[in-house]
Amino acid sequence: QKEVEQDPGPLSVPEGAIVSLNCTYSNSAFQYFMWYRQYSRKGPELLMYTYSSGNKEDGRFTAQVDKSSKYISLFIRDSQPSDSATYLCAMSDPQGAQKLVFGQGTRLTINP
Amino acid sequence: DAGVIQSPRHEVTEMGQEVTLRCKPISGHNSLFWYRQTMMRGLELLIYFNNNVPIDDSGMPEDRFSAKMPNASFSTLKIQPSEPRDSAVYFCASSARTAGANVLTFGAGSRLTVL
Repeated sequence: QKEVEQDPGPLSVPEGAIVSLNCTYSNSAFQYFMWYRQYSRKGPELLMYTYSSGNKEDGRFTAQVDKSSKYISLFIRDSQPSDSATYLCAMSDPQGAQKLVFGQGTRLTINP
Repeated sequence: DAGVIQSPRHEVTEMGQEVTLRCKPISGHNSLFWYRQTMMRGLELLIYFNNNVPIDDSGMPEDRFSAKMPNASFSTLKIQPSEPRDSAVYFCASSARTAGANVLTFGAGSRLTVL
């Protein structure tokens, strides 16, 4: 079993829809949780990061962490065609904070 | 800042040939990471350096892979000899090592095809 599981999709939704992307993990020591966005033929770029449990909001994006369920989510409100990309979750524990473990990535398409 | 710079962007080579991928990290960043991305396995950490010193190379798949960082502004990942299963996108990333989350800035990647 992989340490981080993420449905690879693909996920296709109409413009304006609310998108929910999720990852589950098995290592209870994970404390740092990140979401990266990767456009086609580009490197991943950091979208958001949270420490431990709770929510974090940045514009149309909300990241949620539920450590009791070992489950993290990224919500995109009012989705735009420019949000079409692959979204990767990543996480690490305080001891090995430099070794990020990435999910497989979910390929998202927003249709105009 | 121009970001993390990788070269070449694309490399096509034949099995058995030596491949060298290059990376220039962001100035001031003292940690450098090499990742490999494939459809099957996703993004995998190969090796990382702190202050030019290799810290963890447990992700390097075989002795055919080697990485160096001779100074703070340059790193190479070498595959010798290359095999078709090495075909992947290789990313270099850098970060400013601080307490807490390790925020990586990735380069655009080097797409390697081994025939």
